[in-house]
Amino acid sequence: QQQVKQSPQSLIVQKGGISIINCAYENTAFDYFPWYQQFPGKGPALLIAIRPDVSEKKEGRFTISFNKSAKQFSLHIMDSQPGDSATYFCAASKGTYKYIFGTGTRLKVLA
Amino acid sequence: DARVTQTPRHKVTEMGQEVTMRCQPILGHNTVFWYRQTMMQGLELLAYFRNRAPLDDSGMPKDRFSAEMPDATLATLKIQPSEPRDSAVYFCASGRDTSAGGGTQYFGPGTRLLVL
Repeated sequence: QQQVKQSPQSLIVQKGGISIINCAYENTAFDYFPWYQQFPGKGPALLIAIRPDVSEKKEGRFTISFNKSAKQFSLHIMDSQPGDSATYFCAASKGTYKYIFGTGTRLKVLA
Repeated sequence: DARVTQTPRHKVTEMGQEVTMRCQPILGHNTVFWYRQTMMQGLELLAYFRNRAPLDDSGMPKDRFSAEMPDATLATLKIQPSEPRDSAVYFCASGRDTSAGGGTQYFGPGTRLLVL
């Protein structure tokens, strides 16, 4: 019940396309859902986060869509660029600072 | 620009040796996390401190791993004795815990450990 399932494992998108990464969870007590971006040789960095009281949050080209009833949330990257090529992790937490991370999605954006 | 620092950045050691990794959290942050990242297991939480007190170390192999915060500016992760299966990238992260829960965890650059 503590798991966060992330898909796909890898994704290849053309420049200018939309990248979509999905995550699903079981524990309805989760109340914070961040997405982290990690470049090779670097630590993960927070990209965008959402709480379950909203269904969507947008920051620039990055959007989180949240479906509370389906217990799913997704990251959309609009107008994907080669510089977006990285590994993306979703995560969830409940009332604390301790995250349960997804297994990661390796995104490659072709020029 | 405040950052989490970790030392060493790279470590190669032989099986059976002690390994100590250090982390300096961002000044003012009251929570520190240790993670291990491998291709097979992804990001695993090893230990979690709040105000220097260990809150959760359930992800850590107790027989060989230990984590401490001697003071607010230093967190350590020790492996003794090290084994080849410990080869991974170890990340430290820090943050400021709030009553609302959640919040940004700031990750350091990691220590890349290779145990031969």
